[in-house]
Amino acid sequence: LAKTTQPISMDSYEGQEVNITCSHNNIATNDYITWYQQFPSQGPRFIIQGYKTKVTNEVASLFIPADRKSSTLSLPRVSLSDTAVYYCLVGDGRSPSGTYKYIFGTGTRLKVLA
Amino acid sequence: NAGVTQTPKFQVLKTGQSMTLQCAQDMNHEYMSWYRQDPGMGLRLIHYSVGAGITDQGEVPNGYNVSRSTTEDFPLRLLSAAPSQTSVYFCASSYSSIAGTNYGYTFGSGTRLTVV
Repeated sequence: LAKTTQPISMDSYEGQEVNITCSHNNIATNDYITWYQQFPSQGPRFIIQGYKTKVTNEVASLFIPADRKSSTLSLPRVSLSDTAVYYCLVGDGRSPSGTYKYIFGTGTRLKVLA
Repeated sequence: NAGVTQTPKFQVLKTGQSMTLQCAQDMNHEYMSWYRQDPGMGLRLIHYSVGAGITDQGEVPNGYNVSRSTTEDFPLRLLSAAPSQTSVYFCASSYSSIAGTNYGYTFGSGTRLTVV
């Protein structure tokens, strides 16, 4: 079971870089690591996905070490609007029918302060 | 491009009633899932499907049925509503690799269900 573990909450100030780490010790060989952002009363929104090393897009970077047992989401220069819950998601292993299911962990509540 | 469309957006049911939450996507995604999110809590997987005709149970499947007759639609049926099923229900879809892994979900806007 690829259970994920993240810090429950983090505080940061506007303009700072925020790094959120997720542990996924039992990630499957062919699975990706995906991060989502969720605001209150909305569905989660895809931020970034990666398999290994480093991935960067217009909003974030994702760092994945060689053993892939953890990953770090990096948000550069956060603003108040980045206050949200952030989830990392990996497959929870194969079910008896051979399919992968995706179970969310508790996520990290990021609060950005002025 | 509509993405993932969920209907209705709000629903109030009486205990014991049944209903179907609708979910449709127009992105030709193979993989679809239903999650529920109770107030202040995380998302819990109810059922998922890796393609038409294939469904599987998640963490909390009891009290819910699903079917997947087409790639586009993945309805969730509540068999006999209970107050414990009061929650926000999210449908999500994604492309799937040959190995069956998920390439990142697109979520719908949710259905807020209250059971009284």
